[in-house]
Amino acid sequence: EAGVTQSPTHLIKTRGQQATLRCSPISGHTSVYWYQQALGLGLQFLLWYDEGEERNRGNFPPRFSGRQFPNYSSELNVNALELEDSALYLCASSLGRGSGGYTFGSGTRLTVV
Amino acid sequence: QKEVEQDPGPLSVPEGAIVSLNCTYSNSAFQYFMWYRQYSRKGPELLMYTYSSGNKEDGRFTAQVDKSSKYISLFIRDSQPSDSATYLCAMRSQSSASKIIFGSGTRLSIRP
Repeated sequence: EAGVTQSPTHLIKTRGQQATLRCSPISGHTSVYWYQQALGLGLQFLLWYDEGEERNRGNFPPRFSGRQFPNYSSELNVNALELEDSALYLCASSLGRGSGGYTFGSGTRLTVV
Repeated sequence: QKEVEQDPGPLSVPEGAIVSLNCTYSNSAFQYFMWYRQYSRKGPELLMYTYSSGNKEDGRFTAQVDKSSKYISLFIRDSQPSDSATYLCAMRSQSSASKIIFGSGTRLSIRP
């Protein structure tokens, strides 16, 4: 069974640009979560999508947004990139409505220069 | 004060030793407790998932939850160099199923 897949693995952007990160959940999982893991700060909750809807949002500015597609894959968009957005962005999935523990992908390493 | 506190380490122990990793938390509503292992350049991998207080054992790993003290532990017996990783505790409440709160992780190194 394929795990959670994220693309791209690495992304380098210039300050002010936009970044798009993609995630495919495990087959049968309808919930997708996005976390930011910055150096020394641990995992910070960004967004939760379930059945195509945004269900919860962490304490991040509106320039962090995303969506979930009918096939449950998800996209995270970060607009007006700032240097401090450099981090590992992790996507996780679970069976619906936040049940159980999460299965994480390997992440997208975003570097803003 | 953070909701979940975890000593960042690093923690270095010889191969074969028993490792104890711990987290404290402040939110008494937390009922589900998890431990994740994260290797370098990889996403976290779920190791243990427990509900409420008590112990849970899986092979060389034992998770312990003491809700009265708001304290959770992960014990690793017969530690191996392959156990070298960052270990993250995580927890959530019944009502906030979507929002798992993670500790900042403890870096563990097992010396051959």
